[in-house]
Amino acid sequence: DQQVKQNSPSLSVQEGRISILNCDYTNSMFDYFLWYKKYPAEGPTFLISISSIKDKNEDGRFTVFLNKSAKHLSLHIVPSQPGDSAVYFCAASARSYGGSQGNLIFGKGTKLSVKP
Amino acid sequence: DSGVTQTPKHLITATGQRVTLRCSPRSGDLSVYWYQQSLDQGLQFLIQYYNGEERAKGNILERFSAQQFPDLHSELNLSSLELGDSALYFCASSPTLNTGELFFGEGSRLTVL
Repeated sequence: DQQVKQNSPSLSVQEGRISILNCDYTNSMFDYFLWYKKYPAEGPTFLISISSIKDKNEDGRFTVFLNKSAKHLSLHIVPSQPGDSAVYFCAASARSYGGSQGNLIFGKGTKLSVKP
Repeated sequence: DSGVTQTPKHLITATGQRVTLRCSPRSGDLSVYWYQQSLDQGLQFLIQYYNGEERAKGNILERFSAQQFPDLHSELNLSSLELGDSALYFCASSPTLNTGELFFGEGSRLTVL
């Protein structure tokens, strides 16, 4: 039973356009959400996070939106660049409920391809 | 380069065998995490250590064990290996206990034949 779901295994976007990656979760106790990016033959790298007390967090070209009522979050990349081509993982934790913040529940990832 | 070093990068072994994966965290990081990524799966949390003590356990099999040594490096021991244990095993570290911003190593790819 997947608690964090990324329903799109892949996404292809033209350079300069917006990339929108989606993530759904089922556990109401999740209160901290993160996005990680992974290139081939490398470990995941932290990209951006959001606490459940917010609905938006922005860092440069990357913005994460959280809709708690829908249990949905999305990552927007604007403008998309070829170097953004990677696998993006959504992750969640329940830190307020005694969960360790490093005990992350990951989705299966979405492979983003940005075409020049 | 995340600063987290994992060895070996690749390992091929047979069913029933035992292997040890090693992880050196970033300098100064006290917390170490182990994650498993099987084919077409997301990363699954196995276990966390903080300054030598076990702090959280995930879906880690009883055949698997880990420890963190006084110099803060960590080892993940996998025994009585089965075909289904073939996976990429990631180690991650963080400076504190309470952060989800982890620094991952490149992973150790285990193949059980």
